[in-house]
Amino acid sequence: GAGVSQSPSNKVTEKGKDVELRCDPISGHTALYWYRQRLGQGLEFLIYFQGNSAPDKSGLPSDRFSAERTGESVSTLTIQRTQQEDSAVYLCASSRKLGGASYNSPLHFGNGTRLTVT
Amino acid sequence: ELKVEQNPLFLSMQEGKNYTIYCNYSTTSDRLYWYRQDPGKSLESLFVLLSNGAVKQEGRLMASLDTKARLSTLHITAAVHDLSATYFCAGGVTGTASKLTFGTGTRLQVTL
Repeated sequence: GAGVSQSPSNKVTEKGKDVELRCDPISGHTALYWYRQRLGQGLEFLIYFQGNSAPDKSGLPSDRFSAERTGESVSTLTIQRTQQEDSAVYLCASSRKLGGASYNSPLHFGNGTRLTVT
Repeated sequence: ELKVEQNPLFLSMQEGKNYTIYCNYSTTSDRLYWYRQDPGKSLESLFVLLSNGAVKQEGRLMASLDTKARLSTLHITAAVHDLSATYFCAGGVTGTASKLTFGTGTRLQVTL
């Protein structure tokens, strides 16, 4: 079946511009995550949506970053006034509810959006 | 807040050898995951460990979880070149639907 879909796959933007990254999770997945991965680095948590609960925004690095999710569908990550240090691969992942434990299933990752700020 | 540490960060090993990657975490975690990432690719789920003493095996890889020691291991048996990749562990705080925290990753290079 279809996996997690992210668009665009690559984005080059000038410093100071705003960008919007999109994530289409797997249908029926209640949880959705955004992570950032800089070149050669690990995954840095950004934001987590779980069903109708308030999102965990504790990983957003500054108020230039925001994300929205409509119900259990598409999510968009917006970066305003981009800076060069925002250059990274932005990964989206989703997971589904398993029985009574809504948070035990593994994450399914998209292929990411490679953002380059010049 | 959960902290996850992996070691080693880089591992170069010869084909046919065995080795173990370690994943330590700072607070109680009731779920531990291992992922594989090939260069330029996204992350692929390898194992899900949900209870103390859990052991999962797939081919030459075996993962285990010791919740009392707050330790998970990924053991590689008779390594082959195809296993070259970066391996990440990730955990979530016990009893909460909280975010997963990833380790820094172990870059594995298997040489002939």
